[in-house]
Amino acid sequence: QKEVEQDPGPLSVPEGAIVSLNCTYSNSAFQYFMWYRQYSRKGPELLMYTYSSGNKEDGRFTAQVDKSSKYISLFIRDSQPSDSATYLCARLGDSWGKFQFGAGTQVVVTP
Amino acid sequence: GAVVSQHPSRVICKSGTSVKIECRSLDFQATTMFWYRQFPKKSLMLMATSNEGSKATYEQGVEKDKFLINHASLTLSTLTVTSAHPEDSSFYICSAQDNEKLFFGSGTQLSVL
Repeated sequence: QKEVEQDPGPLSVPEGAIVSLNCTYSNSAFQYFMWYRQYSRKGPELLMYTYSSGNKEDGRFTAQVDKSSKYISLFIRDSQPSDSATYLCARLGDSWGKFQFGAGTQVVVTP
Repeated sequence: GAVVSQHPSRVICKSGTSVKIECRSLDFQATTMFWYRQFPKKSLMLMATSNEGSKATYEQGVEKDKFLINHASLTLSTLTVTSAHPEDSSFYICSAQDNEKLFFGSGTQLSVL
């Protein structure tokens, strides 16, 4: 079993819809979680970072962590075609410096 | 957020030559940097962990003599692909750790002819 599970998609939504992305993790050693956005042939860009249960908002983005279920989510409101990218969830793993990534979900926002 | 600069963004070389890729943390010091390889539509594959002032730690299956990593300062790590062959063609990405966060460079597309 992978440490971080993420559905690879693709996930296609119409412009203006809410994009909902999810990951599950299997170990609770560290509690730092991140979401990255990666455009084709570019490096991942850190979108959201959180370490506590509950919601964290930044503009159109909301990161949600449920530690009891070991579940993390990213919501994108009012999606735009420019949001079309691959989104990766990540966590700081079992030991300091060990970052674990999900497989990445490809999101396509259609005009 | 913190900025990680990676150069070059694209390189084309002949088979048998060596290619060096630089990764710099511009506004923070990074004791630890990571090198990844990514194939089209695939996730990141960790190649090695680079620690300033010590030898890099390579993941299983990664040839340390082919992929030379040097982390001579707290802001610079380099990856040298030695005697490159067409099968080394790939997208290489570096990242630098700033406390509990990880920041990525923009990636290098290597094409070996």
